[in-house]
Amino acid sequence: QSALTQPASVSGSPGQSITISCTGTSSDVGFYNYVSWYQQYPGKAPKLMIYGVSKRPSGISNRFSGSKSGNTASLTISGLQAEDEADYYCCSYAGGQLHFVFGTGTKVTVL
Amino acid sequence: EVQLVESGGGLVQPGGSLRLSCAASGFTFSTSWMVWVRQAPGKGLEWLANIGPGGSVTNFVDSVWGRFSISRDDAENSLYLQMDSLRVEDTAIYYCGRDVDWSTAYWGQGTLVTV
Repeated sequence: QSALTQPASVSGSPGQSITISCTGTSSDVGFYNYVSWYQQYPGKAPKLMIYGVSKRPSGISNRFSGSKSGNTASLTISGLQAEDEADYYCCSYAGGQLHFVFGTGTKVTVL
Repeated sequence: EVQLVESGGGLVQPGGSLRLSCAASGFTFSTSWMVWVRQAPGKGLEWLANIGPGGSVTNFVDSVWGRFSISRDDAENSLYLQMDSLRVEDTAIYYCGRDVDWSTAYWGQGTLVTV
């Protein structure tokens, strides 16, 4: 099972919106609505930001939103803030023996 | 409050074994899907294995199949990862997690394994 493809880096100015893509296949992202997104600061554990493609856990800012089209899922961060500078990973259920696969990760830089 | 605390990491020689533990609290452990995820130094996240309630269902990523095993002790609210035949490329921070709605909603702080 290959990792989902994400851009290595995305940057934006404070207040802007950015979108991170996560490209898989018709066997994972394209087939299941079980895409999640995680935020990770250096030296810290990941934190769930989006699950079920577009659902936000309690306590997560509505500046974070998720969507999916075909084999590509996306995470949009609106009103970019300095605290959003972190690594972001997507993850999708891949069927079979209940395997999940993570994306390659995207470093978000706030200019 | 959900808490997951990993332990058991350390330095081991190639070919050696290590058993990681994850102590869980703040939720009903026995009915939860649990997962292990690792992250090699400077690299991305890698899903390793999960185990369902009761422990009868377990799944592994191909790269650790036959070398790693996952288990749980519901009486002790603990999750385990037995790692055998360790390789240099298994060096990573190992996180345990609790899955909710097909996502890892809660994470431990991780434990470092160096091979």
